[in-house]
Amino acid sequence: QVPLKESGPGLVKPSETLSLTCTVSIGSSDSFYWSWIRQVPGKGPECLGFVSPSGGTSYNPSVKDRVTISLVTGKNQFSLRLTSATAADTAVYYCASLKNADYVGWWGQGLLVTVSS
Amino acid sequence: DIQMTQSPSTLSASVGDRVTITCRASQGISIWLAWYQQKPGKAPNLLIYKASTLESGVPSRFSGSGSGTEFTLTINSLQPDDFATYFCQQYHDYWTFGQGTKIDMK
Repeated sequence: QVPLKESGPGLVKPSETLSLTCTVSIGSSDSFYWSWIRQVPGKGPECLGFVSPSGGTSYNPSVKDRVTISLVTGKNQFSLRLTSATAADTAVYYCASLKNADYVGWWGQGLLVTVSS
Repeated sequence: DIQMTQSPSTLSASVGDRVTITCRASQGISIWLAWYQQKPGKAPNLLIYKASTLESGVPSRFSGSGSGTEFTLTINSLQPDDFATYFCQQYHDYWTFGQGTKIDMK
């Protein structure tokens, strides 16, 4: 069973909002911080931020003004919203769990999102 | 922001070789560094955290060292399954990954 799995549209138009959901099947823990990480093929990953088990958030300054990561109430899910998408946001998006908000313990399988008209 | 620079970008090696990858931070990060292995089309996989602590289930031929601004990942006796791309990641101040080091077959 895949511990985390991303879902959402694979194509987003420029200026629109990129929205993804992650379904979690590894249970929960106070040490698991739920994160979104993206990777342009051939480049290093970029962590966009996380939501803590209590709902607190921390975001990468590079996307802070455009990103929201939140828990989905009542479900084993968390979500990503990235507003004003541009071609530079085209990447493979992974949901992941950060151990104590530090390093990545679990990764999803990844979802390619293309921003194009 | 803290920048992470890996060297080399590509490394050609043979099965049985001992290989070393270096990761340099633009400022001191103590020991708050992780290493990952990534194979084509797959998510990265955690190898080492806190600079030198081996993740459970990772073979002991992998080791990490360093502190401050300079870190190394060493693979003793490279195995066929180790041909992949390796990334370092700092978590001292937010999170930054290196650009990757690809190990290919000589």
